[in-house]
Amino acid sequence: DADVTQTPRNRITKTGKRIMLECSQTKGHDRMYWYRQDPGLGLRLIYYSFDVKDINKGEISDGYSVSRQAQAKFSLSLESAIPNQTALYFCATSDIRAGSTDTQYFGPGTRLTVL
Amino acid sequence: GESVGLHLPTLSVQEGDNSIINCAYSNSASDYFIWYKQESGKGPQFIIDIRSNMDKRQGQRVTVLLNKTVKHLSLQIAATQPGDSAVYFCAENIRDSNYQLIWGAGTKLIIKP
Repeated sequence: DADVTQTPRNRITKTGKRIMLECSQTKGHDRMYWYRQDPGLGLRLIYYSFDVKDINKGEISDGYSVSRQAQAKFSLSLESAIPNQTALYFCATSDIRAGSTDTQYFGPGTRLTVL
Repeated sequence: GESVGLHLPTLSVQEGDNSIINCAYSNSASDYFIWYKQESGKGPQFIIDIRSNMDKRQGQRVTVLLNKTVKHLSLQIAATQPGDSAVYFCAENIRDSNYQLIWGAGTKLIIKP
């Protein structure tokens, strides 16, 4: 979905390096999410944010941190990357309104390889 | 723990036939369910959702059926086309969960020419 963009799209880094993945959205949604996807598996939630002052841990937050700089921006950091953090990372947004189902809209993903 | 899972990891269907992708869930407190389609190299894309107080919902070429008695969800794709090739995920939003979807592992749909 072009309304949700992620940078970089691909990144190769070394063990111990600090990495930041960026997510921007033009959908005007309040809620933003970071997921991780490993080959052949579903998505696992890392962190989520319901507004600029709200940060919540997801299922697999260890080794990651996030920053919600503005409504439209949500970044994910790996403080000290390790090889088992090699995965596809997705950002998503949603907008809960009365009568809606809080559907999440995903960015194109960032493929991260940690050597 | 609570989970959403799929019966078949891979489904092969002849082009033009109907496809049925199944999903089982275990949490009775689910509020709604969503089907996503993920094409190779792309993020998941919303297809259709259904609230827990409904049994059926139809979209363009897709129908979702919900059987709460056996906790089963299915996605039916009519007249399957090559562009339907993807991995399909069901996801569950649990009432009062406040945040997240619980994702199934996915079913890969392969279209045979």
